[in-house]
Amino acid sequence: QSALTQPRSVSGSPGQSVTISCTGTSSDVGAYNYVSWYQQHPGKAPKLIIFDVRERPSGVPDRFSGSKSGNTASLTISGLQAEDEADYYCSSYAGRFTWVFGGGTKLTVL
Amino acid sequence: EVQLVESGGGLVLPGGSLRLSCAASGYTFSDYWIHWVRQAPGKGLVWVACINFEGDRTTYADSVKGRFTISRDNAKNTLYLQMNSLTAEDTAVYYCARGGHYLDPWGQGTLVTVSS
Repeated sequence: QSALTQPRSVSGSPGQSVTISCTGTSSDVGAYNYVSWYQQHPGKAPKLIIFDVRERPSGVPDRFSGSKSGNTASLTISGLQAEDEADYYCSSYAGRFTWVFGGGTKLTVL
Repeated sequence: EVQLVESGGGLVLPGGSLRLSCAASGYTFSDYWIHWVRQAPGKGLVWVACINFEGDRTTYADSVKGRFTISRDNAKNTLYLQMNSLTAEDTAVYYCARGGHYLDPWGQGTLVTVSS
């Protein structure tokens, strides 16, 4: 049950795009299309923004998109806005009814 | 509106026990798996445990296996986490979250502090 690997921080200017990677193994990210992404603002509970690799819950702007290639999943945020500044976590089903999270990425909007 | 509300957190001595609760409303509780996830101060999210619809299948992270027990009471729409043999490393905000392969929504969390 090793954590998925995410960059500790990324940054971008308003209007730009940023991509956050999430690297796992052939036992979790690479094995299942059950990668999800969560946004967490300081002092708040996490919020689901992407599920099943690329699906967006209702109400999540289409500026947020997900993808996967092999053992690495990615979250892209286009048209960065100030309110996107938050921590982002990926998660994957890891088999045998266990789940694993990434270490989290702090997004700074410059 | 789907809502999850955790309670039961607090200060506990090392080696002690605590039981957390998560009250669910706004949906048919027994239709969903449900999870516990924790977050140590200033750290990332860590999956802790989950339980299936009827409560007869449970799984745990290695770090809590044998010490924590997840359970649910579908008649009371409530999820529980019994935590025993607590150590400082268990200090965290504990969230409950509805879901199968993805977690949505999450409760607001309850803080557990293990300290002498």
